[in-house]
Amino acid sequence: ETGVTQTPRHLVMGMTNKKSLKCEQHLGHNAMYWYKQSAKKPLELMFVYNFKEQTENNSVPSRFSPECPNSSHLFLHLHTLQPEDSALYLCASSQPRAGGSTDTQYFGPGTRLTVL
Amino acid sequence: AQSVTQLGSHVSVSEGALVLLRCNYSSSVPPYLFWYVQYPNQGLQLLLKYTTGATLVKGINGFEAEFKKSETSFHLTKPSAHMSDAAEYFCAVSAVGNQFYFGTGTSLTVIP
Repeated sequence: ETGVTQTPRHLVMGMTNKKSLKCEQHLGHNAMYWYKQSAKKPLELMFVYNFKEQTENNSVPSRFSPECPNSSHLFLHLHTLQPEDSALYLCASSQPRAGGSTDTQYFGPGTRLTVL
Repeated sequence: AQSVTQLGSHVSVSEGALVLLRCNYSSSVPPYLFWYVQYPNQGLQLLLKYTTGATLVKGINGFEAEFKKSETSFHLTKPSAHMSDAAEYFCAVSAVGNQFYFGTGTSLTVIP
C-alpha cells in the first residue's frame, strides 16, 4: 500500500462519544499534519509533528488530542465534540528539509466527521 | 512571514477555453510554491510545484504555472478546459518549520 491512508472515511458521533481518527503514511516521511476543512472556510492547520515531536498546535481546543507514536502513524482522539466540529479532517505528510522550507505535502483522502 | 492570496473564489470557464487561476504570495525566504487540486470528498492532490530552476513548471492533466518573482505570482493555467477539471484548486507556499500556507481556494466550474 502506498501514499497516505486515513480511517475511517466517514464518522458520525454524538457529542458525548469518544472516537479516534487514524492516519498512516507509507512514504518514509518524518513530518505529519492534521488539517480541518470546513465548508466555505480556508484549510485550517491543527497540529504538526516532526520526528514524532509536536511542533505546532494552532490553538486547537483540548477536545482534540493528537498522538504520534512513530513517524508513520498519527491519531486524532476526539471527545465531547460540538456540532461545529463537523468537517473533513485531512492528514498529510512531508519530508522535512534541514534549515529551510519543507517539500511537498501528501494528503490522505480525509475523514468526513459529523457531530450530532 | 508567508502568505498566499488567491484572487477569485469562483471561476467559470467554457469547455475548451483557457483556464487561469491566480495566486500571489509573500515570503521572507525563497519560496517553494505548489498548486493542489481537490475533488469532492477527497484529499488534496499535487498538481505541480516550483522549487528552483526553470520558472515555467508543467504538471499533471495539462496544467502549468509560471513563477514570476518580480510580481510575486504563481498563476495556474491550462490552454483548454475539460469537464473533468471542475474542482477546487489551492495554491500554497512552504515555510520554515515544515509548515505550508494555503490560499483560500478557487472553485473552478466548467460549462459545457
